Amino acid sequence: DVKVTQSSRYLVKRTGEKVFLECVQDMDHENMFWYRQDPGLGLRLIYFSYDVKMKEKGDIPEGYSVSREKKERFSLILESASTNQTSMYLCASSIIAGGYYEQYFGPGTRLTVT
Amino acid sequence: DQQVKQNSPSLSVQEGRISILNCDYTNSMFDYFLWYKKYPAEGPTFLISISSIKDKNEDGRFTVFLNKSAKHLSLHIVPSQPGDSAVYFCAASSTGGTSYGKLTFGQGTILTVHP
Repeated sequence: DVKVTQSSRYLVKRTGEKVFLECVQDMDHENMFWYRQDPGLGLRLIYFSYDVKMKEKGDIPEGYSVSREKKERFSLILESASTNQTSMYLCASSIIAGGYYEQYFGPGTRLTVT
Repeated sequence: DQQVKQNSPSLSVQEGRISILNCDYTNSMFDYFLWYKKYPAEGPTFLISISSIKDKNEDGRFTVFLNKSAKHLSLHIVPSQPGDSAVYFCAASSTGGTSYGKLTFGQGTILTVHP
């Protein structure tokens, strides 16, 4: 069974703290993605990775960085957390095979920055 | 610039009736479309997809229709059940070039099915 796990379900951090969000997938997928979900805005892509050590900016990369040292693990880093980064963060992974583009999502991390 | 739009933030339907969720897109490069369902405190789960070479795809109670000329797709749920109450996201992808399977999501529509 497909599985994407995220290190925390709920996280509370203070403004200015460095925050690490971890995502692990067990499907040997090449592609991994980080989104944030905000009411009325849907899911917005922050960063994605198509291979180990490879990364590309999504639509809203400002204030974030990522790391992919191993195929199964993709980390999202908030260098200096701010209150406008309070959100639901969702990780996903996918493989492109035969025109099949489904992404599998983790349960999400609800981050609150105070 | 919202390339995928779900203009109805919410929809309320009686159990057993049809639910119709709509989605519009502006990018003509999009050629693969998906619907995801999301319950609170869970990640989105894939529901159904359609390629631009088709205009309809059916899976049980769920049917997706694609009108390429209007850049519009819709998800029909028949019959609707209370367990279908969730947020539904439309997503689109361009399968050519180096898209890496990136998806562009709409804002979501909250569906409530009343018993």
